[in-house]
Amino acid sequence: DAGVIQSPRHEVTEMGQEVTLRCKPISGHDYLFWYRQTMMRGLELLIYFNNNVPIDDSGMPEDRFSAKMPNASFSTLKIQPSEPRDSAVYFCASSLSRGTTGELFFGEGSRLTVL
Amino acid sequence: GIQVEQSPPDLILQEGANSTLRCNFSDSVNNLQWFHQNPWGQLINLFYIPSGTKQNGRLSATTVATERYSLLYISSSQTTDSGVYFCAVEYGNKLVFGAGTILRVKS
Repeated sequence: DAGVIQSPRHEVTEMGQEVTLRCKPISGHDYLFWYRQTMMRGLELLIYFNNNVPIDDSGMPEDRFSAKMPNASFSTLKIQPSEPRDSAVYFCASSLSRGTTGELFFGEGSRLTVL
Repeated sequence: GIQVEQSPPDLILQEGANSTLRCNFSDSVNNLQWFHQNPWGQLINLFYIPSGTKQNGRLSATTVATERYSLLYISSSQTTDSGVYFCAVEYGNKLVFGAGTILRVKS
């Protein structure tokens, strides 16, 4: 399998613009996670899905952030409008449930810079 | 919530040296994983280890769940081992990450 695939790898945008990050999980995995990594806060869980259904979005910082998973092979994380403090690396990860969250595999991340 | 503490926060090794990284957690957990983030930012899954000991080449890990800690051993370190090592524990069906140990291996 190709692993978790994220796009874009790098995004530079201006404050106020909409940003859409994309993720393709490993085929057959039924959990999908979105994390954000910053120097100040480390790795934070934003939201996760099980079988395409959002289970916990308590980590989403505010209403400007939204995530969808329309099918088992695709998820998006959208920020609208973006702000400089959203600059971070956003990781998508997936796992195969074993009754717990299972062994987690990460994509290469999307580095977002908001000017 | 659960606290996940990693030590040391950073470590410098000479190539060929051995090291032990520690992860302490404050409550019972369902599982524990170790990850390596390389200098290019990629997060690699090293071990899925809720309990016991596992080995993979020069790396091994031990989790003592009853005492709420896990250890990651790196033997004969190489410059490619440099990066940040994270432990993550499953708590309430979420993975909670520690702050990481920054490892630099010098040639």
